[in-house]
Amino acid sequence: LAKTTQPISMDSYEGQEVNITCSHNNIATNDYITWYQQFPSQGPRFIIQGYKTKVTNEVASLFIPADRKSSTLSLPRVSLSDTAVYYCLVGDQTGANNLFFGTGTRLTVIP
Amino acid sequence: DTAVSQTPKYLVTQMGNDKSIKCEQNLGHDTMYWYKQDSKKFLKIMFSYNNKELIINETVPNRFSPKSPDKAHLNLHINSLELGDSAVYFCASSWGYTDTQYFGPGTRLTVL
Repeated sequence: LAKTTQPISMDSYEGQEVNITCSHNNIATNDYITWYQQFPSQGPRFIIQGYKTKVTNEVASLFIPADRKSSTLSLPRVSLSDTAVYYCLVGDQTGANNLFFGTGTRLTVIP
Repeated sequence: DTAVSQTPKYLVTQMGNDKSIKCEQNLGHDTMYWYKQDSKKFLKIMFSYNNKELIINETVPNRFSPKSPDKAHLNLHINSLELGDSAVYFCASSWGYTDTQYFGPGTRLTVL
């Protein structure tokens, strides 16, 4: 079963690129990797998903090395509004016992 | 329009009581979930429900039971509430297990 590990917290200045890494050493062949963002008193919100290599959308990029044992969420030029907790989720299509959220990384963007 | 809604937003109750939290999604999704987020912000999946197939996380006590009256609803019933049940409970929905999950606003449960 794939379990996930993330840094507890990170600080960054406005305008910098932020990279948050999630380790999932036991990821299974059918597992996808998904990242969510959570603001205080709100539910998590989808950011990006990938299976391998690189995925990019309008808000972030996701880098997944060939062995898929880790993934890195990249946020370009962060702003104060990017201050939130970021979770990685690893799982497949079989349901509750194979969906694992990371511990979350609290990103604080400093002016 | 709210995609995933939960009621109530706050729930304060005594130990030993039985309570329910309601969840509704208007996205037409096939899959719904319940999560528990504790004070340390760990998100733990409790249940997933897809096409009448309920999958229970093996660590969840049997005092917790989800009930789905129809595809758009997955309500959470909790019997004999304990202090350790205090947390924020999130409902979510998606098309399939690997698809984007849409979360509700959460229900903060406090057991006294």
